[in-house]
Amino acid sequence: DAGVTQSPTHLIKTRGQHVTLRCSPISGHKSVSWYQQVLGQGPQFIFQYYEKEERGRGNFPDRFSARQFPNYSSELNVNALLLGDSALYLCASSQDRANEKLFFGSGTQLSVL
Amino acid sequence: GNSVTQMEGPVTLSEEAFLTINCTYTATGYPSLFWYVQYPGEGLQLLLKATKADDKGSNKGFEATYRKETTSFHLEKGSVQVSDSAVYFCALNRNQAGTALIFGKGTTLSVSS
Repeated sequence: DAGVTQSPTHLIKTRGQHVTLRCSPISGHKSVSWYQQVLGQGPQFIFQYYEKEERGRGNFPDRFSARQFPNYSSELNVNALLLGDSALYLCASSQDRANEKLFFGSGTQLSVL
Repeated sequence: GNSVTQMEGPVTLSEEAFLTINCTYTATGYPSLFWYVQYPGEGLQLLLKATKADDKGSNKGFEATYRKETTSFHLEKGSVQVSDSAVYFCALNRNQAGTALIFGKGTTLSVSS
């Protein structure tokens, strides 16, 4: 079975642009979470979606948004990009809301110039 | 608030040396505790977990014991291998719906032969 897949793997944008990152969870997993990992830091929680509804939100500005589709895949959108948004964006899936066992994708490396 | 503190890295060891990576936490309630590992170019993988006080998580020769009295979850391995070189993250989950993993900053382990 395929693991969590994310696309693209790398992305370069300029300040002020918009970006969309995509994630496909493991088959059968209904929960998708997004994390931001800045170089040298641990991942920070952005959003959790379960059964297509937002179930949790971290301390990120409204420029960050996400959604989950009927097939449980998910998109993370970031508007008005800032240099500080440069990071590895990780998607993780789990079978339920409790997130007791998360499976992470390899991430999308976003560079904002 | 809830937080995780890990020892600063990098940790550099010779093959077959003993490993300890310290982790302490601050949390309300009764969190679950985790160690995740991130190999170069890959996403995070769950290494081990413990869900209540005095539980010992173990996997691939790594162990960690949930110590509520010292709010610690130190990672240990008796004999490290070159293939253990990676970044190790301690994390907690407050076990409430809609909450997410809270990660430490990570500790880089480098093992030489």
